[in-house]
Amino acid sequence: GAGVSQSPSNKVTEKGKDVELRCDPISGHTALYWYRQSLGQGLEFLIYFQGNSAPDKSGLPSDRFSAERTGGSVSTLTIQRTQQEDSAVYLCASSPGTSGARSTDTQYFGPGTRLTVL
Amino acid sequence: AQSVSQHNHHVILSEAASLELGCNYSYGGTVNLFWYVQYPGQHLQLLLKYFSGDPLVKGIKGFEAEFIKSKFSFNLRKPSVQWSDTAEYFCAVKAAGNKLTFGGGTRVLVKP
Repeated sequence: GAGVSQSPSNKVTEKGKDVELRCDPISGHTALYWYRQSLGQGLEFLIYFQGNSAPDKSGLPSDRFSAERTGGSVSTLTIQRTQQEDSAVYLCASSPGTSGARSTDTQYFGPGTRLTVL
Repeated sequence: AQSVSQHNHHVILSEAASLELGCNYSYGGTVNLFWYVQYPGQHLQLLLKYFSGDPLVKGIKGFEAEFIKSKFSFNLRKPSVQWSDTAEYFCAVKAAGNKLTFGGGTRVLVKP
């Protein structure tokens, strides 16, 4: 079946502008994750949604970053007043979602959005 | 907070050579362990995973990994690599909660 899709694949923006990145998870997956892949920091967790529960925002680097998930499916990651250090590949992943801290879920990743802030 | 270390940043080897990539994590409780691969120009793909049971896990494309709890390690191995194994390999750990903590990645170049 279709995998995780993300759009746009590339985004170039000017410093100070806001950007929105979109993620379409695998159909039926209740859990959705955002990660960031950058040269200096490697792969970092940003935020996690599970069903109707409050999201785990513990990885968001600043209050300029926010994300929402509408209708339990599509998610949008918004970065306000972008800075050059926000340049990275933003990855979305989804998983079937199981309850409990010891979930045996496997996360499946999308192709990412490459963000370049000039 | 948990952390994951991959000892080798770059590995260069010839086809048919054996490959072993090290991965150590720091977390004292129960963990789930993963190896992901990113081929040039492609997205992250799951190679193999360990949740419980047999500590020797077999994945796709002839890869395997061994979980050694006493050493907090989950090393990846392949007996005979091919040029198509050129990629970046990431070890990841899921401890408390559901987020993955990744190692820094190892770039593997297989010379034909």
